[in-house]
Amino acid sequence: DAGITQSPRHKVTETGTPVTLRCHQTENHRYMYWYRQDPGHGLRLIHYSYGVKDTDKGEVSDGYSVSRSKTEDFLLTLESATSSQTSVYFCASGGDGNTEAFFGQGTRLTVV
Amino acid sequence: DQQVKQNSPSLSVQEGRISILNCDYTNSMFDYFLWYKKYPAEGPTFLISISSIKDKNEDGRFTVFLNKSAKHLSLHIVPSQPGDSAVYFCAASDGENGGSNYKLTFGKGTLLTVNP
Repeated sequence: DAGITQSPRHKVTETGTPVTLRCHQTENHRYMYWYRQDPGHGLRLIHYSYGVKDTDKGEVSDGYSVSRSKTEDFLLTLESATSSQTSVYFCASGGDGNTEAFFGQGTRLTVV
Repeated sequence: DQQVKQNSPSLSVQEGRISILNCDYTNSMFDYFLWYKKYPAEGPTFLISISSIKDKNEDGRFTVFLNKSAKHLSLHIVPSQPGDSAVYFCAASDGENGGSNYKLTFGKGTLLTVNP
């Protein structure tokens, strides 16, 4: 399995506070992704990166920003957390071409 | 607009029988399809994939079939085992921008329960 880790694994935060989730991969994968999983919605893409400093929006990007300053790290920031952002967040990474992406264990975020 | 659809939220089968999970897609640019399995409190794990140039791919008990004209794929698990009980996600990649920008679009998932 690819080495991909997320931190923190669990977080409770208050509405209006900034939150940053971290993803680290050791496979030198070019692509990295942030998804959120919600009941009835499956996995929805928030943002993705196709290289250092190269990022693009997914289908549910509002309220989120990302940064990728190194190949191995991909950060997801909630500028001002809202209750609708309570979710389980998954990071994934994958190589070039049509190939599978490998997922981290997830971060359960609760915004109160 | 949901581009990858799994219309069955759940499926229950008996141990030893065949499980068939279905997936439909709308984007004709999708050229690579994957199935992932997810247990509670874990990240999704890759199961099997198929390229659009093929119509079948088999790996042990798992077989994926692709019908491009119908924009439909299915995952067959035979024989089903209780350990197969999990949520199964269908995903598709479109390799947009001339194949230089890969992102996976997922369906909502199907909860498979295999009863002993």
